[in-house]
Amino acid sequence: DQQVKQNSPSLSVQEGRISILNCDYTNSMFDYFLWYKKYPAEGPTFLISISSIKDKNEDGRFTVFLNKSAKHLSLHIVPSQPGDSAVYFCAASDSSGGYQKVTFGTGTKLQVIP
Amino acid sequence: DVKVTQSSRYLVKRTGEKVFLECVQDMDHENMFWYRQDPGLGLRLIYFSYDVKMKEKGDIPEGYSVSREKKERFSLILESASTNQTSMYLCASSFGTGTNEQFFGPGTRLTVL
Repeated sequence: DQQVKQNSPSLSVQEGRISILNCDYTNSMFDYFLWYKKYPAEGPTFLISISSIKDKNEDGRFTVFLNKSAKHLSLHIVPSQPGDSAVYFCAASDSSGGYQKVTFGTGTKLQVIP
Repeated sequence: DVKVTQSSRYLVKRTGEKVFLECVQDMDHENMFWYRQDPGLGLRLIYFSYDVKMKEKGDIPEGYSVSREKKERFSLILESASTNQTSMYLCASSFGTGTNEQFFGPGTRLTVL
């Protein structure tokens, strides 16, 4: 049972344009969400997070939007750069386990074309 | 900078062998995790530990065990490796409770023949 779903396995975007990566979740207990970025042959690195008390969090070129009623979040990258080409994982956790356990999605491979 | 290191980047083992994957973190983190990454399945949690000698099963613990004798070290053990355990194994650590990010090691690509 996949509680965190990323339905697009891959995405190609032109350099300078906006990249939008989507994520859906089914567990209504999740109240904290994260995005990680992974380059080949490296471990994932934390990118940005959002608490369920917010609907938007911004960090430079990266913005995460949360729609709790739809159980949907998205990551916007503006403008996209070739160095953003990587696999992006959406993740979710909840307070019942002290937020220690995180459930990851299947990942979306982003390719930014120069 | 937090550093999480894994003992091997690449490992090739035979079916039935006992396999040890070691992970060490240098930031005094309480929590440590073992994941496997497979195409189309993302990262799946095998086991995690929130304290020395403590362990909790993740989503796919079957065929694996873990050991945490020291705070900085978390070992994943495949008692009898099977071909379906061929995968990328990722170790991570995080600080205490709360919404703290996990820091990952570079991964170990394990092939079981």
